[in-house]
Amino acid sequence: QKEVEQNSGPLSVPEGAIASLNCTYSDRGSQSFFWYRQYSGKSPELIMSIYSNGDKEDGRFTAQLNKASQYVSLLIRDSQPSDSATYLCAVFYSSASKIIFGSGTRLSIRP
Amino acid sequence: NAGVTQTPKFRILKIGQSMTLQCTQDMNHNYMYWYRQDPGMGLKLIYYSVGAGITDKGEVPNGYNVSRSTTEDFPLRLELAAPSQTSVYFCASSLRDKEKLFFGSGTQLSVL
Repeated sequence: QKEVEQNSGPLSVPEGAIASLNCTYSDRGSQSFFWYRQYSGKSPELIMSIYSNGDKEDGRFTAQLNKASQYVSLLIRDSQPSDSATYLCAVFYSSASKIIFGSGTRLSIRP
Repeated sequence: NAGVTQTPKFRILKIGQSMTLQCTQDMNHNYMYWYRQDPGMGLKLIYYSVGAGITDKGEVPNGYNVSRSTTEDFPLRLELAAPSQTSVYFCASSLRDKEKLFFGSGTQLSVL
């Protein structure tokens, strides 16, 4: 089992709709979870971090964490063409003090 | 604000050559990481460091070496370059272990 798994996509969503991105992880001891956005040819940039079960909202972005199911998701409301990018889920493995990334989900917002 | 600086931005190597990718951060961060990203893929952890003098292997360490003699610098050494090492390499740092990563702009490496 991969340490961090994401659906590679591409995920195509119409402009104005909600985009839903999912991620599962294998280490039950993980406590810190991150979503990074990466535009083609650029470095990843942090969108959201979440540390406790439940929802965390920041503008149009909502991160959801369920530690019992080892599942973290990112919702993007009112999707814009500028949201078209690859979204990387990252998990901090406290057993080894390292951050592991998933393979990323490519999101395309169609006008 | 320099942040995390990587050099070079682009490099072409011949099979069997060696090189060092440089990474410097000016934020006094303890944690530093090297990742590689193959086309259309996520980031794979090569090596990381939790402080000066301390390094550890990540997911894909074979063919690479690192050192951390100062807080600021975390160079990545490629010995005997192979085509499988063609990738984009990102250096990143964070103040504490669970916090956001600050990324450099990346190094595009081709081994031919």
